[in-house]
Amino acid sequence: DIQMTQSPSSLSASVGDRVIISCRASQAIFNSLAWYQQKPGKVPKLLITATSRLASGVPSRFSGTGSGTEYTLSISNLQPEDFATYYCQQYYTTIELTFGGGTKVEI
Amino acid sequence: QGQLAQSGVEVKKPGASVKVSCKASGYTFFNHGLSWVRQAPGQGLEWMGRIAVNDGSTIYAQKLQGRFTMTLDTSATTTYMELRNLKSDDTAVYYCVRGLRDYDLWGQGTLITVSS
Repeated sequence: DIQMTQSPSSLSASVGDRVIISCRASQAIFNSLAWYQQKPGKVPKLLITATSRLASGVPSRFSGTGSGTEYTLSISNLQPEDFATYYCQQYYTTIELTFGGGTKVEI
Repeated sequence: QGQLAQSGVEVKKPGASVKVSCKASGYTFFNHGLSWVRQAPGQGLEWMGRIAVNDGSTIYAQKLQGRFTMTLDTSATTTYMELRNLKSDDTAVYYCVRGLRDYDLWGQGTLITVSS
């Protein structure tokens, strides 16, 4: 299986900050990476697919980059509604898709 | 657009089986595969398996092999997941999701509690 390691597991930030979340794959996943946002008690929501393509309706303050085994999610000008847990997910292998452990963004 | 409507809360004893339904609506059913993802209390997301709606072919997570089955009723645009020989660590919210790789539409989740 491809292991996905997110860092940090949690972070504290303020409104207006820029936040960067990292996701490392145990082997190259060739940009087959998605990011999800989950607010407490809510269903996860797709933010980004194929490393950098924003899902429909996602604000442009979210962006994704990366290649090979290293990927990042950036949130610029953090808004109150962005406080949530973020997960990366690789879909390079169709047999065992895997998620990162999550990053909780707190005030 | 679209919606995935899942069946309701389940409480089961260890060793029992559970079957959860997921009805798709508001989009062209045959244009998208379906998958299941679960989330144990306070934990992260875990991929369980996927089904291609055009031919019903399935792929399951290795750790669930032998206990987990996904099926389709295409006439009802509904998919089902069945988990057998339930264990306490199967307690989780189970999500039906649209897609075979990334997931742009999620069901509301079904809480399955396994307890004696």
